[in-house]
Amino acid sequence: AQSVTQLDSQVPVFEEAPVELRCNYSSSVSVYLFWYVQYPNQGLQLLLKYLSGSTLVKGINGFEAEFNKSQTSFHLRKPSVHISDTAEYFCAVSERQGAQKLVFGQGTRLTINP
Amino acid sequence: GAVVSQHPSRVICKSGTSVKIECRSLDFQATTMFWYRQFPKQSLMLMATSNEGSKATYEQGVEKDKFLINHASLTLSTLTVTSAHPEDSSFYICSARHSQNTEAFFGQGTRLTVV
Repeated sequence: AQSVTQLDSQVPVFEEAPVELRCNYSSSVSVYLFWYVQYPNQGLQLLLKYLSGSTLVKGINGFEAEFNKSQTSFHLRKPSVHISDTAEYFCAVSERQGAQKLVFGQGTRLTINP
Repeated sequence: GAVVSQHPSRVICKSGTSVKIECRSLDFQATTMFWYRQFPKQSLMLMATSNEGSKATYEQGVEKDKFLINHASLTLSTLTVTSAHPEDSSFYICSARHSQNTEAFFGQGTRLTVV
């Protein structure tokens, strides 16, 4: 079984400042890793994913994440945030085989202040 | 990216009635669909996984007789909340994936309010 821990439930940041949203996972098998964004009353949109290869993954809207196998982490970063980045962010893992069900972290509420 | 359409986006129903939520993959064949439930300010909890033409696999603690899932075609899955009660009020989200794709695409979600 897999589990995901997002270490911060809320992260307030000033506009144009850098941000890092932390994610750690636990799994006995190899996994795929994902970051999703959710705007109010909407579904989830994929920001980026790690499948294999380079541990630094670039996604949409200027976000990137780095897979660290030894620390079982997949932290999300953006060098300069905008007001429009205010949303809920979810880290998720799935097994590489079988149904590939997504297991989500608790979510991090990113609030951008002007 | 691929598009998953979920309908309705909001529904209010009376206690004791049943509500059906549809999830459609518009431009790809969804061999697997997932149904999630999300409580306010919480994460998504997987309710069930369905493969086209097969019975859904429910997660532990999810009542299969209350949450009926049908995945009769490669583009449509439905979730029916039977005999709804106020505690069933929640945000329900579906996602769909093709067997050859590692990414699941999400619907817009359905806000169910049972009064």
